[in-house]
Amino acid sequence: ETGVTQTPRHLVMGMTNKKSLKCEQHLGHNAMYWYKQSAKKPLELMFVYNFKEQTENNSVPSRFSPECPNSSHLFLHLHTLQPEDSALYLCASNNPGGRGYTFGSGTRLTVV
Amino acid sequence: KNEVEQSPQNLTAQEGEFITINCSYSVGISALHWLQQHPGGGIVSLFMLSSGKKKHGRLIATINIQEKHSSLHITASHPRDSAVYICAVRKGGADGLTFGKGTHLIIQP
Repeated sequence: ETGVTQTPRHLVMGMTNKKSLKCEQHLGHNAMYWYKQSAKKPLELMFVYNFKEQTENNSVPSRFSPECPNSSHLFLHLHTLQPEDSALYLCASNNPGGRGYTFGSGTRLTVV
Repeated sequence: KNEVEQSPQNLTAQEGEFITINCSYSVGISALHWLQQHPGGGIVSLFMLSSGKKKHGRLIATINIQEKHSSLHITASHPRDSAVYICAVRKGGADGLTFGKGTHLIIQP
């Protein structure tokens, strides 16, 4: 365990389903991130939250909706996804200006 | 062209060999990170660099800001070092990371 916990580890969903990914950290970090890792592509930044406020949205389609109720929890709400959205979704946290990032183990999402 | 380029993409070596993975970037950065990703997806942060050189056990990371280049070295490589090594940069003024495609390293016994 890294200190950043993601659930579920694996998720299979249909294109009409609605599901949510959860990320939780109790490291005292103030910034939390969603990253997407598709096959054969580099990791891509999706969203950044600092002190619960969204500070970056990297042109992510609206079918992905983030929520950050407090500095320890981050959600990614999913609806009407496409098969090409199948990927590993990674959550990370840090303190801006801090020593580095702590990553969760990821949620492997398959859209059928 | 990616803003962060890594080489080689794939590397297979024998146990004990000295390993070098290279990273070049084309943007202004505030920091460069080396990450390790094992099968199953979990990512571990190895180093964060803004200048010079850092060492942790058998791992050494260097950065040359003027040349926009960083290297990750592994001394006395071991099969447990087999993983994907990812270079990532934090662009000046930005918050999240921009990643290279990774180097898939296999160390054979």
